[in-house]
Amino acid sequence: DSGVTQTPKHLITATGQRVTLRCSPRSGDLSVYWYQQSLDQGLQFLIQYYNGEERAKGNILERFSAQQFPDLHSELNLSSLELGDSALYFCASSRGLQETQYFGPGTRLLVL
Amino acid sequence: LAKTTQPISMDSYEGQEVNITCSHNNIATNDYITWYQQFPSQGPRFIIQGYKTKVTNEVASLFIPADRKSSTLSLPRVSLSDTAVYYCLVGGRGGADGLTFGKGTHLIIQP
Repeated sequence: DSGVTQTPKHLITATGQRVTLRCSPRSGDLSVYWYQQSLDQGLQFLIQYYNGEERAKGNILERFSAQQFPDLHSELNLSSLELGDSALYFCASSRGLQETQYFGPGTRLLVL
Repeated sequence: LAKTTQPISMDSYEGQEVNITCSHNNIATNDYITWYQQFPSQGPRFIIQGYKTKVTNEVASLFIPADRKSSTLSLPRVSLSDTAVYYCLVGGRGGADGLTFGKGTHLIIQP
């Protein structure tokens, strides 16, 4: 158990819908990262927040957005969902900006 | 970020020592080398991290030659439960930005 929690564990929705994935970092960690893992793309970095501020962006679509709240939990919002958005979404956290990342168990999203 | 190259897959038997080598010819002076393990449908799990020479913890050893252009993850006495994908990453100590994962090495341990 990494100490990072993610909800929900599974999510099934339809194309065109919007969903929100939630992540709670390890206690004391200030940085949160979001990753997408699909069968054909491997593990892709989406976005990073540090102490509430966006820090870095990776391959995140404009339909996707995220935020980190004052209590340091983070939410990833996925809108106008497409079949290709079906994937595992992982959240990771680290103490600071240059610390080891610890991953949560992931949210499996299935878009039908 | 430095690009890494590692075997697509490997197999071994229970009780053997397994060595997975990763090439990172363009590693920068400030880069660390980090290995993660991932089981199906689970998040990657940190195994070990090093900068140079040798690092050992309770699950693995990491060997880094002087030129730092490659590294070897050593798993002693593997068991069936070590069957997983192993990722080698090079970059900032933990990654100020997100980590760049390659395809990883699929390690299959047989009885």
